[in-house]
Amino acid sequence: GEDVEQSLFLSVREGDSSVINCTYTDSSSTYLYWYKQEPGAGLQLLTYIFSNMDMKQDQRLTVLLNKKDKHLSLRIADTQTGDSAIYFCAESTGNTPLVFGKGTRLSVIA
Amino acid sequence: DTGVSQDPRHKITKRGQNVTFRCDPISEHNRLYWYRQTLGQGPEFLTYFQNEAQLEKSRLLSDRFSAERPKGSFSTLEIQRTEQGDSAMYLCASSHPGPLADGYTFGSGTRLTVV
Repeated sequence: GEDVEQSLFLSVREGDSSVINCTYTDSSSTYLYWYKQEPGAGLQLLTYIFSNMDMKQDQRLTVLLNKKDKHLSLRIADTQTGDSAIYFCAESTGNTPLVFGKGTRLSVIA
Repeated sequence: DTGVSQDPRHKITKRGQNVTFRCDPISEHNRLYWYRQTLGQGPEFLTYFQNEAQLEKSRLLSDRFSAERPKGSFSTLEIQRTEQGDSAMYLCASSHPGPLADGYTFGSGTRLTVV
């Protein structure tokens, strides 16, 4: 079945770049997503990428996709304390429910 | 439309009691999903609807769980004879039909504690 793996923790200093990594197993994944969850809240869609793209940039966020290695990363430039949250990678073939990883807890040190 | 609404935000119940949660999706979204999230885990898919039809159920959805979306608008998730292992955050999301290019919009969730 589908599986999405993420490292559990990442700690960075304010102003540095954060890179959160994700690997997935389903080669038919068509859409890959990054969601952000703050304490006690639901999930907020940050960005997504189609499987036929290698990179997508959206303000401070850069998504890189290596389809051959089934590896997805999210880079947050100039990380701020407000970026502290749990970040989830998710994948879908397009008509199947999203499958989520366990999340990476990002801590930003002032 | 202010997004996906879930009610209640928190529910504490005694083991063996029944509970029911409600989700109101974004009005123009015809797909509605239920996920469960336990501490330290990502959301796990439970079931989803397209309009009033329940199209898929996860193996996680035991016989004690039932979901409905009778008029294709709001949905309810009922858990009968609750167990401590049911304690979790129950998340509802909605989306447009077809390829999920814009992902889901999630509600803030209902946190269930079974004591």
